[in-house]
Amino acid sequence: GAVVSQHPSRVICKSGTSVKIECRSLDFQATTMFWYRQFPKQSLMLMATSNEGSKATYEQGVEKDKFLINHASLTLSTLTVTSAHPEDSSFYICSAGGGGGPNEQFFGPGTRLTVL
Amino acid sequence: AQRVTQPEKLLSVFKGAPVELKCNYSYSGSPELFWYVQYSRQRLQLLLRHISRESIKGFTADLNKGETSFHLKKPFAQEEDSAMYYCVPRRTSGSRLTFGEGTQLTVNP
Repeated sequence: GAVVSQHPSRVICKSGTSVKIECRSLDFQATTMFWYRQFPKQSLMLMATSNEGSKATYEQGVEKDKFLINHASLTLSTLTVTSAHPEDSSFYICSAGGGGGPNEQFFGPGTRLTVL
Repeated sequence: AQRVTQPEKLLSVFKGAPVELKCNYSYSGSPELFWYVQYSRQRLQLLLRHISRESIKGFTADLNKGETSFHLKKPFAQEEDSAMYYCVPRRTSGSRLTFGEGTQLTVNP
């Protein structure tokens, strides 16, 4: 089946630094990728929808200047958390559509971000 | 408003017992409905979708438009079924998924 990877799987950084997370569709082209955030013992919250070659669409309440999304190719989307603070610590998950059945999205393994 | 409700955050059953994970949705139009599962330390994966009317790992889910429900059922639970289950509606193909709160299923030996 279609595979989505994320890198890094885990990152620890100091407050004020920026962190980039990559999401790749390994064996299919993903016209749309989605970025989610998941707090411990909570559900996934959609942050933004990323379409290749165009600007991302952010959900209400998500700061687009804080969470920069780039989808420069059909196999790669990146999420950059700028000037990270401890409250940005979370589990970030991406998903990609286009590789399986007509309605399927495939999820990455997630990236654990810890901001000290 | 578009909403999906999984009333049970935690559900515990014994091995071999039947299990039902409830899901109710409030959505305009006719959404597509999915169940996603997340096993411990693994990524989210699709379990089944309503349009396929399939049985995966012994699980089935019937869409009841009158009751706006999409409950997930399995007649005989197994320990390996222990996981977090999410009921997920979607308005159209390719559009965003809306995750419910999820139900943590624990199947005890």
